[in-house]
Amino acid sequence: DQQVKQNSPSLSVQEGRISILNCDYTNSMFDYFLWYKKYPAEGPTFLISISSIKDKNEDGRFTVFLNKSAKHLSLHIVPSQPGDSAVYFCAASLRNTGNQFYFGTGTSLTVIP
Amino acid sequence: KAGVTQTPRYLIKTRGQQVTLSCSPISGHRSVSWYQQTPGQGLQFLFEYFSETQRNKGNFPGRFSGRQFSNSRSEMNVSTLELGDSALYLCASSLGHRESEQYFGPGTRLTVT
Repeated sequence: DQQVKQNSPSLSVQEGRISILNCDYTNSMFDYFLWYKKYPAEGPTFLISISSIKDKNEDGRFTVFLNKSAKHLSLHIVPSQPGDSAVYFCAASLRNTGNQFYFGTGTSLTVIP
Repeated sequence: KAGVTQTPRYLIKTRGQQVTLSCSPISGHRSVSWYQQTPGQGLQFLFEYFSETQRNKGNFPGRFSGRQFSNSRSEMNVSTLELGDSALYLCASSLGHRESEQYFGPGTRLTVT
């Protein structure tokens, strides 16, 4: 069963506007979350993380929001740039499970110049 | 520093055969994790090795196995291949703590005919 879900397979946004990518999870015991970006023919690269003790984390143009009561996190990219066009994965983990992460199915973002 | 390398990059095997994939982590990294990526399923965690010991294991059949050598290089073996094993196999290396960034290799594309 898919414990981490990304219900939007694709998203298109105009350059300069905000991109919002969403992720839902079912296991309330998840306490650490990540976002990765993946270009074709490359492995995923780490973008940003958030611990369950926080509800927001920022890194430059990227902000992740965590709503624990709704079991929902989102990634905001402001402003969006054409180079942001990629597949974005969210991932979650449980305490004391090392690097065992549960990934969503990904959202393909296209930023239109 | 050199990134994570995976060999071979592409592989075609016949149902019933076995296959071994290799992953060389970033120098100094002691954790290597393996993931299977298939369309519609996202990345599914296979297992993690840390200092030559399997630390975590995902929900895959026993046909999937792995090992890690003293230089942290890791191999993954799949025996009695099935058509459903066709996928992109990704490995990721890190220092070992889940808060330390994982670096993914480009993956090995396995096709089972």
